[in-house]
Amino acid sequence: AQTVTQSQPEMSVQEAETVTLSCTYDTSESDYYLFWYKQPPSRQMILVIRQEAYKQQNATENRFSVNFQKAAKSFSLKISDSQLGDAAMYFCADGGSQGNLIFGKGTKLSVKP
Amino acid sequence: KAGVTQTPRYLIKTRGQQVTLSCSPISGHRSVSWYQQTPGQGLQFLFEYFSETQRNKGNFPGRFSGRQFSNSRSEMNVSTLELGDSALYLCASSSGFFSYEQYFGPGTRLTVT
Repeated sequence: AQTVTQSQPEMSVQEAETVTLSCTYDTSESDYYLFWYKQPPSRQMILVIRQEAYKQQNATENRFSVNFQKAAKSFSLKISDSQLGDAAMYFCADGGSQGNLIFGKGTKLSVKP
Repeated sequence: KAGVTQTPRYLIKTRGQQVTLSCSPISGHRSVSWYQQTPGQGLQFLFEYFSETQRNKGNFPGRFSGRQFSNSRSEMNVSTLELGDSALYLCASSSGFFSYEQYFGPGTRLTVT
């Protein structure tokens, strides 16, 4: 069965600093997608960034970037210049072979002013 | 474009009752997925509909069912509610047949007493 593991239940970062959230996954698929979603206290799940497995180049969206290590099945999220609004639960997800998302347990990120 | 909408946002039901939740996807999106989110189990996939057909189903009892209409709107139904069904139910829509990029609604908070 496909699994996604986020080993850091909680993380904290100082405003304007950089933080990296870890994620590992286990899939037997050759072609797949990986995602990071953000869920602030308002509960709306927001897509942060997406990575296609066949692309070697790491995805980047403004202050958010990933470090995709396919052989190691690692997919970490780096947030640069952290802002107070970045405080949220962050979920790593694997686009399963059947089209559904398989989520990790999440990492709660706190941003200190 | 308007985002994914879910109604109602909050619901309180009594054990043994049934409930119907509604989801309207982003205009043009044909796939709708449902997820259950609880503190203990995290985010779990319920089912996915594409063009009115259930394409994929998670590991939930038959009390959980759904359907999709010709306008892509979807409903999920839970019969004979149990206390353990208390959760945040999230709906997500995506555009294509193998599009794993899913956009989430705000969720329906169901409380079973």
